Amino acid sequence: SQQGEEDPQALSIQEGENATMNCSYKTSINNLQWYRQNSGRGLVHLILIRSNEREKHSGRLRVTLDTSKKSSSLLITASRAADTASYFCATVGNTPLVFGKGTRLSVIA
Amino acid sequence: DGGITQSPKYLFRKEGQNVTLSCEQNLNHDAMYWYRQDPGQGLRLIYYSQIVNDFQKGDIAEGYSVSREKKESFPLTVTSAQKNPTAFYLCASSIAGQGTEAFFGQGTRLTVV
Repeated sequence: SQQGEEDPQALSIQEGENATMNCSYKTSINNLQWYRQNSGRGLVHLILIRSNEREKHSGRLRVTLDTSKKSSSLLITASRAADTASYFCATVGNTPLVFGKGTRLSVIA
Repeated sequence: DGGITQSPKYLFRKEGQNVTLSCEQNLNHDAMYWYRQDPGQGLRLIYYSQIVNDFQKGDIAEGYSVSREKKESFPLTVTSAQKNPTAFYLCASSIAGQGTEAFFGQGTRLTVV
């Protein structure tokens, strides 16, 4: 079963704008992770946020976690054409990584 | 150069045949995973293994089999019992069974002809 649901399914923005993607999940978690996938390639880990953390930063990435609402958001600031990819959230609880369906981000130069 | 390697990158199979997808890692990770990705479906867990000689079914294990005889290797066999095997298959590994980041291979695209 897929735990996370990303929103929106697709997002198109201009270079330099910020991109925000949301993830909702259903059961309690130990941590939540965000991954990036370029078309036809494997996934690359971006950031991990633990259930007792509310916000985390890594470079141009900012992740928030609200366990009371069972939701997380990924913000990419000052987007670049090279950020064009699919982004997935994945939750870890009693089972291994459970992925959502992803958000397809297109950054137009 | 450490990493996780999947082979082949593209695989064509005739209906009724079994095929085996290779996954090898030199990261000294205990846990390994197989996911299937279909368009618009995200990733779904097929099998995972947290230690050598042990593995567990994921959400969609029917029609698939695995082995874990060595720490470095976790091959996936797609059997003729899998009704719709055409998909993109991703292998991953991590340090521990849960809770740590996963490292992915570049995937194998399987097409039934």
